[in-house]
Amino acid sequence: KAGVTQTPRYLIKTRGQQVTLSCSPISGHRSVSWYQQTPGQGLQFLFEYFSETQRNKGNFPGRFSGRQFSNSRSEMNVSTLELGDSALYLCASSSGLGATTEAFFGQGTRLTVV
Amino acid sequence: AQKITQTQPGMFVQEKEAVTLDCTYDTSDQSYGLFWYKQPSSGEMIFLIYQGSYDEQNATEGRYSLNFQKARKSANLVISASQLGDSAMYFCAMRGSNSGYALNFGKGTSLLVTP
Repeated sequence: KAGVTQTPRYLIKTRGQQVTLSCSPISGHRSVSWYQQTPGQGLQFLFEYFSETQRNKGNFPGRFSGRQFSNSRSEMNVSTLELGDSALYLCASSSGLGATTEAFFGQGTRLTVV
Repeated sequence: AQKITQTQPGMFVQEKEAVTLDCTYDTSDQSYGLFWYKQPSSGEMIFLIYQGSYDEQNATEGRYSLNFQKARKSANLVISASQLGDSAMYFCAMRGSNSGYALNFGKGTSLLVTP
């Protein structure tokens, strides 16, 4: 059974550009959530999608958006990139929603904004 | 609000020894899940072990066990027989209804296993 796949692994973008990151969850999993990891702020929740609907959103500006497709694959978009957006972006896949549901992560996309 | 505290920024352990990584949490949720993840330098977040708030027995997964003390709100990870490949960052996390089931992470503990 394939794990969570995130593409691309590495990205270098210029300030002001936009970027799209992709996440393919474990087969059969319908929940995808995104996290940003930085040395200063640690791991912070961005948003969660379940069955193509955004179920939960973290405290990030509107420049950060996402969507989920009917095959459960998810994309995250960041517009008007800022230097502070440089981070490791991690996607997690779960079979459902709830406190007791395990979450499995991909390898992450390391975004560098210059 | 939920809060996860990992008080050990860095830990050393000798190969084959056991090590305990501390995690305390604060939540008003009655039902919640506690998780431990390992993050090697490659960046991938590897799921290790899970404990539900209503589980009476401590979770175990191979060399990993979770010492769950609900009254103390602690969920320490015990790694037995440490191996060099265990050197990594370790994160404690929880999810519950108060956070909309988003994972809340601690700041992590860096574990170094020495020969």
